[in-house]
Amino acid sequence: DAGVIQSPRHEVTEMGQEVTLRCKPISGHDYLFWYRQTMMRGLELLIYFNNNVPIDDSGMPEDRFSAKMPNASFSTLKIQPSEPRDSAVYFCASSLELRGQENNSPLHFGNGTRLTVT
Amino acid sequence: GESVGLHLPTLSVQEGDNSIINCAYSNSASDYFIWYKQESGKGPQFIIDIRSNMDKRQGQRVTVLLNKTVKHLSLQIAATQPGDSAVYFCAEANDYKLSFGAGTTVTVRA
Repeated sequence: DAGVIQSPRHEVTEMGQEVTLRCKPISGHDYLFWYRQTMMRGLELLIYFNNNVPIDDSGMPEDRFSAKMPNASFSTLKIQPSEPRDSAVYFCASSLELRGQENNSPLHFGNGTRLTVT
Repeated sequence: GESVGLHLPTLSVQEGDNSIINCAYSNSASDYFIWYKQESGKGPQFIIDIRSNMDKRQGQRVTVLLNKTVKHLSLQIAATQPGDSAVYFCAEANDYKLSFGAGTTVTVRA
């Protein structure tokens, strides 16, 4: 089990540029989540998918952010145009079910993409 | 508003001693709680969870205690090791949403 795989690990871009973050969830997991982590706000849920369908995007900051899941093994989070305040670590997580069974984590996180917008 | 928060932002502990990390929550509707460990450059890693119908759960070297009366959650780490140095987050679940606390940085002294 390779775990949740995110790419790139680091992204540095200039303000106004388009940024695309990628995620491959654990095979067989039906739920995929995108989180953002900053020092000021901690871990925030941006959006989650169930069976490739976006269920709740209320955490997406604004229209500059969009997420897609074209198939069960791939998701993207896009920021267009990017701004310096978007600088953060973006995590993708997946789970077999929403709440998890006893002794199993509901969420398995990737190692994140550190985004810096200058 | 309701939130999950940690009492202390940092904890320094001597190797071999026991560690206790505290967490307060305010959403009385939350019925599932999880502790995560995050090492530098990595994503949060599951440690242990507990449901609201329990008040204690033990894992390998870790114990989670839940006090619903005062809305308090704690993580106890026995015989703390250098590899336990990390940021620890508590999270509460209400339906599908996980709300994370601010995190406690644990530093283990040799």
